Order: sequence, then structure tokens, then C-alpha cells
Amino acid sequence: AQRVTQPEKLLSVFKGAPVELKCNYSYSGSPELFWYVQYSRQRLQLLLRHISRESIKGFTADLNKGETSFHLKKPFAQEEDSAMYYCALREYNQGGKLIFGQGTELSVKP
Amino acid sequence: GAGVSQSPSNKVTEKGKDVELRCDPISGHTALYWYRQSLGQGLEFLIYFQGNSAPDKSGLPSDRFSAERTGGSVSTLTIQRTQQEDSAVYLCASSPDRLSVGANVLTFGAGSRLTVL
Repeated sequence: AQRVTQPEKLLSVFKGAPVELKCNYSYSGSPELFWYVQYSRQRLQLLLRHISRESIKGFTADLNKGETSFHLKKPFAQEEDSAMYYCALREYNQGGKLIFGQGTELSVKP
Repeated sequence: GAGVSQSPSNKVTEKGKDVELRCDPISGHTALYWYRQSLGQGLEFLIYFQGNSAPDKSGLPSDRFSAERTGGSVSTLTIQRTQQEDSAVYLCASSPDRLSVGANVLTFGAGSRLTVL
């Protein structure tokens, strides 16, 4: 069965520090991975997807098939990055549901 | 509409009552999803519609939960004989046809917060 694991419920860092939100998945096929973000009092929204290989708001994520990981990284955290982050997986190029991790709350302190 | 609309935004009900939650997806989006968001549980998949059919109902927690979608548009999630553990935010999302650009990217609604007393 597909599964997404985010081991940290809460990650607290100081402004300007590097941040890494961990995501591991289990899936036998070729997955499509996403990071979604939910800022306070806002809707859940897409942050980035692995097939785009893009950097959004300074965040990047690399799919490591050997380690079955898709960690989200940013070299210098900003206070406005404080939010709930969810890693999600879907079978590549097929219809169907997204499986989400339990989420990691990022708190960036001044 | 411009986004995914959900109603009601807040619902407080007594244990044992039935509730209906409504989702109006983005016009033209063929796929529609229901998720449940609760503290400590993250985002829990409930059901997925492609058009009017539901190829995946595997996430519905019990037979008290049901959902339908008519006309390939609006969907209703019904919870019968509500229990306190049903208290959560119920999120709806939609996405374009699987062959379209942007397929597989979900657009979420603001959610319906259900409180069962």
C-alpha cells in the first residue's frame, strides 16, 4: 500500500537558518510527489511537484528513489514560511487519489 | 466558479444527527476528492469521484459515511448518526481531466468544520 511518512510533527527554527522537512514514501511503482502548504487561515495549496523540478519561494525538493525520500529544503528560512506542510504521493500519470503524510508544522522564529 | 466552494463553513450538531456537506468544484474539473483533516491525523482520504462515478471509496471510515456526485459537478458528503469522533474539517478538492495540463494538481476548498457535541 502507498504510504507517506513525515516523521516530525513540529519543526522550529530561527529566521535565516536552513530548514529541511522530511518526507519518506513507500510505493512499488513510479510515484508522483508533491508538497502542499497551508498558511494560517488559508486554504491548502500546492507548493511544488517533483516533475517540475522548480524552486518555489526558495524551497526545493529532490526525489531520491533510492532512499524513497522527497525532503523539502530551504537554505534560509523566513518568518512568513511558518505554516503546515504536507507531503503527498500519487501514482505517476494515472488518475486517483493523493495520499498525504500527517503534516509538519514549521515555525520560524524571529 | 473561480474556486472550490464548500458549505457550510461551520456546522455544529448533536450526536446522532445526520449532516450533509456540500462541495462545488471548479467548473470543468472532472475529478473530485473528499478528505478529512483532524489534529494528529493529518489529511485522511475519504473518497474520489471521476465524473459521477466513485472508483475509490476506500477511505470512508464506516457505513455512516456516504457521498454522491450528480451531473459531474456538485458533490454531497453525508454523515449519518454523527459521533463525536467525526468532528474534523472536511476538505473537498478538484482537479482537471487526467489528460489535461495541470492534471494531478488538486485545488482545495476552504473546508467545512464539523463539531459534534
